[in-house]
Amino acid sequence: ETGVTQSPTHLIKTRGQQVTLRCSSQSGHNTVSWYQQALGQGPQFIFQYYREEENGRGNFPPRFSGLQFPNYSSELNVNALELDDSALYLCASSSSDRGLGGYTFGSGTRLTVV
Amino acid sequence: AQSVTQLGSHVSVSEGALVLLRCNYSSSVPPYLFWYVQYPNQGLQLLLKYTTGATLVKGINGFEAEFKKSETSFHLTKPSAHMSDAAEYFCAVRAPNDYKLSFGAGTTVTVRA
Repeated sequence: ETGVTQSPTHLIKTRGQQVTLRCSSQSGHNTVSWYQQALGQGPQFIFQYYREEENGRGNFPPRFSGLQFPNYSSELNVNALELDDSALYLCASSSSDRGLGGYTFGSGTRLTVV
Repeated sequence: AQSVTQLGSHVSVSEGALVLLRCNYSSSVPPYLFWYVQYPNQGLQLLLKYTTGATLVKGINGFEAEFKKSETSFHLTKPSAHMSDAAEYFCAVRAPNDYKLSFGAGTTVTVRA
């Protein structure tokens, strides 16, 4: 079975621009969560999608938005990029919205905002 | 609400020595607890987890952790460090009916030859 894949692996954007990050969930998983990991910190929960609906959100502003598609892959969109958005963005998939089967993490997308 | 405190942002051990990483949690309900490892430029890999049942949990790569409710702790240990254990380790907590993981700030482990 394939794991969680994220693209791109690295990205450089300019402040004020918009960015889209992509995640393909593990086969059989219907739930995708996104986390932001700033340098030297632990991951922070952004939001979760279950069966194409957002069903949980952390303390992030509305310019962070997402989508989940019928094949359960997902996108994270960030508008009006700020320098503090520079971080590793991790996607995790699960077979349930309560993570009962555990979470599988991707390798992340490193976003640098200049 | 759940939160995690990892004591010590950096731990240095000699190869073959005991590895001990400390994690204390705060939770309003009986928590689920996790340890993840992150190698450079990679995502998170689950080492072990505690949900219910036996409080001593064995994980991959020779790691184990013990859930101590009275101390609100979930410390990670490995009897004998290997060079390949050099990585960053994260403790995380989740309420049983919640969907999000709350992570600690992480502990970087270096292993001396």
